[in-house]
Amino acid sequence: DAMVIQNPRYQVTQFGKPVTLSCSQTLNHNVMYWYQQKSSQAPKLLFHYYDKDFNNEADTPDNFQSRRPNTSFCFLDIRSPGLGDAAMYLCATGGAHRTEAFFGQGTRLTVV
Amino acid sequence: AQSVSQHNHHVILSEAASLELGCNYSYGGTVNLFWYVQYPGQHLQLLLKYFSGDPLVKGIKGFEAEFIKSKFSFNLRKPSVQWSDTAEYFCAVRMGQAGTALIFGKGTTLSVSS
Repeated sequence: DAMVIQNPRYQVTQFGKPVTLSCSQTLNHNVMYWYQQKSSQAPKLLFHYYDKDFNNEADTPDNFQSRRPNTSFCFLDIRSPGLGDAAMYLCATGGAHRTEAFFGQGTRLTVV
Repeated sequence: AQSVSQHNHHVILSEAASLELGCNYSYGGTVNLFWYVQYPGQHLQLLLKYFSGDPLVKGIKGFEAEFIKSKFSFNLRKPSVQWSDTAEYFCAVRMGQAGTALIFGKGTTLSVSS
């Protein structure tokens, strides 16, 4: 029944070693979001896709990239993770009109 | 810049007390409004949503929220809180046309003592 699936649930990576987080959805939603959430803070929007249109938030570091090869999948690439990038990364999807965002369980990233 | 403000950072209540959490946004156009809850160690769950129509919306677990367009507000209320309502509450707003970003407020931590 899971509608937004994030893999892996937990990821440990080395400082500076590229890492990719994945998200898939079965809802056929147009919009996919990536958020970063640090402990006791609000989810911070990194970027989102509306279909193939990519929208980067102005304060998202260049270190963060994303790919959406098709409607169902979206990837978050962190090119050179730093200790400050340790966080929970949330993927969410939403329809084009009048729908809420559906969140995945998140991937907790640890940088060592 | 578009933003979402939650006025209360941490609210502490006793069981059966009434709750009101404030949320304001800065955008003059069409908005979709949401409240999400995050229980400790769990993912975000939708409490309620507003798109149009009756400005008083009812959600799950006895929560409701009122949209006041003139005040750019969408406050969350519950008449009588329970210990199980202890969680983080986030207001979120989609400002503008379809496919625009969903922005979250900083969140309010609610602690309910039994």
